[in-house]
Formats: sequence, structure tokens, C-alpha cells
Amino acid sequence: GENVEQHPSTLSVQEGDSAVIKCTYSDSASNYFPWYKQELGKGPQLIIDIRSNVGEKKDQRIAVTLNKTAKHFSLHITETQPEDSAVYFCAALLPEYGNKLVFGAGTILRVKS
Amino acid sequence: DAGVIQSPRHEVTEMGQEVTLRCKPISGHNSLFWYRQTMMRGLELLIYFNNNVPIDDSGMPEDRFSAKMPNASFSTLKIQPSEPRDSAVYFCASQAGDAGKYEQYFGPGTRLTVT
Repeated sequence: GENVEQHPSTLSVQEGDSAVIKCTYSDSASNYFPWYKQELGKGPQLIIDIRSNVGEKKDQRIAVTLNKTAKHFSLHITETQPEDSAVYFCAALLPEYGNKLVFGAGTILRVKS
Repeated sequence: DAGVIQSPRHEVTEMGQEVTLRCKPISGHNSLFWYRQTMMRGLELLIYFNNNVPIDDSGMPEDRFSAKMPNASFSTLKIQPSEPRDSAVYFCASQAGDAGKYEQYFGPGTRLTVT
């Protein structure tokens, strides 16, 4: 089945610096890759996603890149702020299993002010 | 839009008791997912429904777990009997379910503690 690996497991950056989180997936049929942000005591919140026909997508300070050949995708956060501190999850859709998402293990991002 | 609604937000129960978790998906969405989140296993998909029909329940840990979706606006996840290892945060998520609309939106979760 699909396996999604996420790195690093923890990331600490200084406010204003950039943060990059990377994920790799195993199923070449995967065609949708969302990123979720989870704050303490809350449910995961969809922050950005990318489909397999696009190489990059940006939304203000966040961007996601996808390399289908290498089967990896990354989340980039620029000009980090303390409120970016949270756990971030990547996921990949398994089209042959309907709309099932497989999640990475998560990255704890801490932005130090 | 109220988003996905889950109740209760917290549940503490004793081993052996029955637990029922509830979910109201976003209006108009026709796919619903139940997940469990633990430190050890991360986010695991338990079961998902499309148009109120269970499509994949391969993630349901054992027969003690059951889920129903009697109509498009309500679903339950039941654990009977509960065990301490069931302690986790349970999330419900909904999705439009239309072709190409893959975005899943999560509820706030139910934190279950079984003592």
C-alpha cells in the first residue's frame, strides 16, 4: 500500500527565517497532495494542496512543490512567525482506493521569537 | 458554514463501557471519514462513507468498533466494550465527494480517555 514519509520530525527556526518540510510517497498513481496544520487541541486544518498536473503552488507565505518523477513534495513557509508554530502533516491520495488519504507522521515546527 | 461538528469534545469512561462519538459533516458533503490520532500511530483512517454507504472499513481495529451513517448529516462511531488502549483523539472529516474534489475538512475531534 501507499507509504508517506515525512521529514524532519521536528524543526526549530528563528522568526523571519524559512522552513521546509519534505515528504516522499510510494504510489506513483497518487494525484493529490494536501498539507494540514494542526494546533494544540484542534483538528487538522487544510492549508494548501497540489495536484499532480502542477509543479508548484503558492498562497502568500506558503508554497508547495511537487516532483512526480522523484515522488516527493515539499512545504515551504517563508518569513515565519510565532503563530506558524504547530504540527504539519502531509498526505497523498490513493485514487485506486476511492478518496482515501495516507498521512505522513507529522513535523513539529517551532518558530522562536 | 459551521464546519464539521463533533460531540462530545471530551469523553472519560471506564473500561468495559460503551462509548458513542457523533459527527455532523459539512452540509452538502457526501463523503465522511473517521480517523484516530495517537502519538504512537499518528493519524489512522478507521472507516469512510460515501453517500451514507461504508466504502472502506479496513482500518477499524476490531469488532468492538462500529460506525453508522443513517443520513447525510449524521454519523456515529461506537466502541463497545471500550478498553484503555482505545484512548485517543477521534476525528471526523467530510469531503464534497464530487469528482476531483478531494479536500477533506476535519472537525475539532473527541478526546477519549478510557480508564
